[in-house]
Amino acid sequence: AQSVTQPDIHITVSEGASLELRCNYSYGATPYLFWYVQSPGQGLQLLLKYFSGDTLVQGIKGFEAEFKRSQSSFNLRKPSVHWSDAAEYFCAVNQAGTALIFGKGTTLSVSS
Amino acid sequence: GAGVSQSPSNKVTEKGKDVELRCDPISGHTALYWYRQRLGQGLEFLIYFQGNSAPDKSGLPSDRFSAERTGESVSTLTIQRTQQEDSAVYLCASSRGTSGRADTQYFGPGTRLTVL
Repeated sequence: AQSVTQPDIHITVSEGASLELRCNYSYGATPYLFWYVQSPGQGLQLLLKYFSGDTLVQGIKGFEAEFKRSQSSFNLRKPSVHWSDAAEYFCAVNQAGTALIFGKGTTLSVSS
Repeated sequence: GAGVSQSPSNKVTEKGKDVELRCDPISGHTALYWYRQRLGQGLEFLIYFQGNSAPDKSGLPSDRFSAERTGESVSTLTIQRTQQEDSAVYLCASSRGTSGRADTQYFGPGTRLTVL
């Protein structure tokens, strides 16, 4: 069965420091991968997505993610974190053109 | 343009009562999804509507849960005889429905349901 694992439940990063959030997936076919962000009291907002082609994808708010098939990973990165990036981040894979399968999320705290 | 809207934003109910949650998708989006987010958990798929096709109900946790959609517009998720374990945030999403797995799903703000 398809699954998404986000190994880190909670991460704290200093403002201005770099960030990497991990995501591993289990999926037999070519995965369609997504990263969403959920700020407190808000719905989920799409940061970026990967379907094919260049394995490094750029998203909104300065985020990028790299697809590594050999590691079944799709890690999210940002070179310099801002306080406004504090939120919960979800990695997801699309199965069969219907539902997204989500990881349990990583909560990001930003310290000053 | 307007995004996905959901109502109510918060709902508190007593165990055993029925509740209805509403979702207004983005205009023109043929696909609509319901997810449930329990505390500390990721999102769980509940049900998916695509145009006039039969809905994919494979994620509904029990027969107390049902959903309807009128054409390509409003959807209502109904939970009968609510239980405390139904307490969660219920999220609705819509997408154009034209790109299969590549479709981007746009989420509403959710309805927080609390069952006492």
